Amino acid sequence: DAGITQSPRHKVTETGTPVTLRCHQTENHRYMYWYRQDPGHGLRLIHYSYGVKDTDKGEVSDGYSVSRSKTEDFLLTLESATSSQTSVYFCAISESVRRETQYFGPGTRLLVL
Amino acid sequence: QKEVEQDPGPLSVPEGAIVSLNCTYSNSAFQYFMWYRQYSRKGPELLMYTYSSGNKEDGRFTAQVDKSSKYISLFIRDSQPSDSATYLCAMSAGTGNQFYFGTGTSLTVIP
Repeated sequence: DAGITQSPRHKVTETGTPVTLRCHQTENHRYMYWYRQDPGHGLRLIHYSYGVKDTDKGEVSDGYSVSRSKTEDFLLTLESATSSQTSVYFCAISESVRRETQYFGPGTRLLVL
Repeated sequence: QKEVEQDPGPLSVPEGAIVSLNCTYSNSAFQYFMWYRQYSRKGPELLMYTYSSGNKEDGRFTAQVDKSSKYISLFIRDSQPSDSATYLCAMSAGTGNQFYFGTGTSLTVIP
């Protein structure tokens, strides 16, 4: 998985609780992305980062925030989890030059009860 | 209308068959076209990447882009059971732009 790890790999939580997912890369790539994958919707971009402390919103950013204090780590936070945020979350990275190609982590399965 | 449309299948073929997977899109600004393979409970992995129109071949895989029809294809020759996976198309308008993914086509190759 191109030197990308995600933690936790599985999580069950209750509605209203905060949740933080972590993406860690060892490739020193500048760009990092958070996606969610749901049946019938495919992969949808939540937030992305183009450098330390530089982030921007994606297609489905409501209810999510991100932070990137180091090149290798990109955190996704659900401030107050809802059942609609039950999904599989993927982190991806890409090189500065070839941003057309992204490499994905193994995913985190999140269940919000 | 979705930016990218992909038939979800499922598609089931015998080993050795030629497989054709397709996506259509609506945004004429798309220039970069990718195919990802995703095994069950794994992250997508990049298979093929093409720029603009034309064909690109890599082993048993051929990616084809027809920008005039807004249609892309992935062909798999001599399909193997190990090709059983979900195939996702993705595209973007250019460096720095958001990727748009299809919903994926589930493929099973029967030994």
